Amino acid sequence: KQEVTQIPAALSVPEGENLVLNCSFTDSAIYNLQWFRQDPGKGLTSLLLIQSSQREQTSGRLNASLDKSSGRSTLYIAASQPGDSATYLCAASLWEYGNKLVFGAGTILRVKS
Amino acid sequence: DAGVIQSPRHEVTEMGQEVTLRCKPISGHNSLFWYRQTMMRGLELLIYFNNNVPIDDSGMPEDRFSAKMPNASFSTLKIQPSEPRDSAVYFCASSLGHNSPLHFGNGTRLTVT
Repeated sequence: KQEVTQIPAALSVPEGENLVLNCSFTDSAIYNLQWFRQDPGKGLTSLLLIQSSQREQTSGRLNASLDKSSGRSTLYIAASQPGDSATYLCAASLWEYGNKLVFGAGTILRVKS
Repeated sequence: DAGVIQSPRHEVTEMGQEVTLRCKPISGHNSLFWYRQTMMRGLELLIYFNNNVPIDDSGMPEDRFSAKMPNASFSTLKIQPSEPRDSAVYFCASSLGHNSPLHFGNGTRLTVT
């Protein structure tokens, strides 16, 4: 059974800092690894999707890496801004069901101005 | 693109009543998912449709829960009879194929008293 763990559970940083969010998964037979952002009272917004054959994906100030062999992914946020404050969730897609995702509990990020 | 549309946004009902949640996926997306989010259990996949056919309903908690997708542009999740422990935020999401990001609606917050 796939289990996804995110560390830390919460993080508070001053504006401008670079930061790393961690995600680990127990079953390396994944189809892809997805990172989402959730603002209070809202649904999830897709940030990055890394296919199992890829090592990383970048979008603006965000960079996500994937190491299937060790069961880990990281989300790097450069030059953090108060608008980055949200909950960040990673999700692993199970192989046999393609886009069936198992979610981690999320990291609550607060960027202080 | 209007995104995934869910209704109602909030639902308050008494125990024993029937509840129907509605979802309109993004046009052209062939996969649809119903998730439930609670503080205790995080995001849980309830059921997954591909091309309007239920592929995996192993996450549906009990026979009180049922979901339908009569056509590519509409899905419902029904709870009958509802119980207080069903209180949660229910999300619908859609995607275009196995290796595409999930797009979430803003959710329905269900409170069963």
